[in-house]
Amino acid sequence: DGGITQSPKYLFRKEGQNVTLSCEQNLNHDAMYWYRQDPGQGLRLIYYSQIVNDFQKGDIAEGYSVSREKKESFPLTVTSAQKNPTAFYLCASSIDPPEQFFGPGTRLTVL
Amino acid sequence: GQQLNQSPQSMFIQEGEDVSMNCTSSSIFNTWLWYKQEPGEGPVLLIALYKAGELTSNGRLTAQFGITRKDSFLNISASIPSDVGIYFCAGPYYNNNDMRFGAGTRLTVKP
Repeated sequence: DGGITQSPKYLFRKEGQNVTLSCEQNLNHDAMYWYRQDPGQGLRLIYYSQIVNDFQKGDIAEGYSVSREKKESFPLTVTSAQKNPTAFYLCASSIDPPEQFFGPGTRLTVL
Repeated sequence: GQQLNQSPQSMFIQEGEDVSMNCTSSSIFNTWLWYKQEPGEGPVLLIALYKAGELTSNGRLTAQFGITRKDSFLNISASIPSDVGIYFCAGPYYNNNDMRFGAGTRLTVKP
């Protein structure tokens, strides 16, 4: 079964700790994306990657970092510099931008 | 900031009714995408529009790309309970990877 997986579904961290969210896809898509979603709002682009070893900042990249060492994987690290990290994080991939396919999301809560 | 404005913010309708929602922008978009998101899940692509004036259907869903390229409309005919969710419009801004999303229209269908 091809698809995008994000793990874990729910994540809790203490304030000041870095945390890494996983995103894996077996769709053979070149492009991958990370979005943040807050209640009652649309998705906002954090980072995207068009190919391995290359990534670009989106609208709200401050306080986040990414890597793209493999085509299948695009992990997102939420650093302690992110002032309000509690949110729903969505990963997506695409073989033919702009049409993107989304994973199930990770809900991060910082206590 | 947000470039896409969706209305209405929410709708409460009876099963069997038709639904209309729209998305407007102060900027021209060359592509409009419509997604549906169910609670706790990632958005699912419903319809993609690539040409001004284009009218595209997907089952009971019909979407139109406005002739000015600054708006798009989504209609759902004969609504059913499983239509419940949040409907987002989206479009590429600086490039096909830089997607901007509206804040969504939350649809509730009463049986």
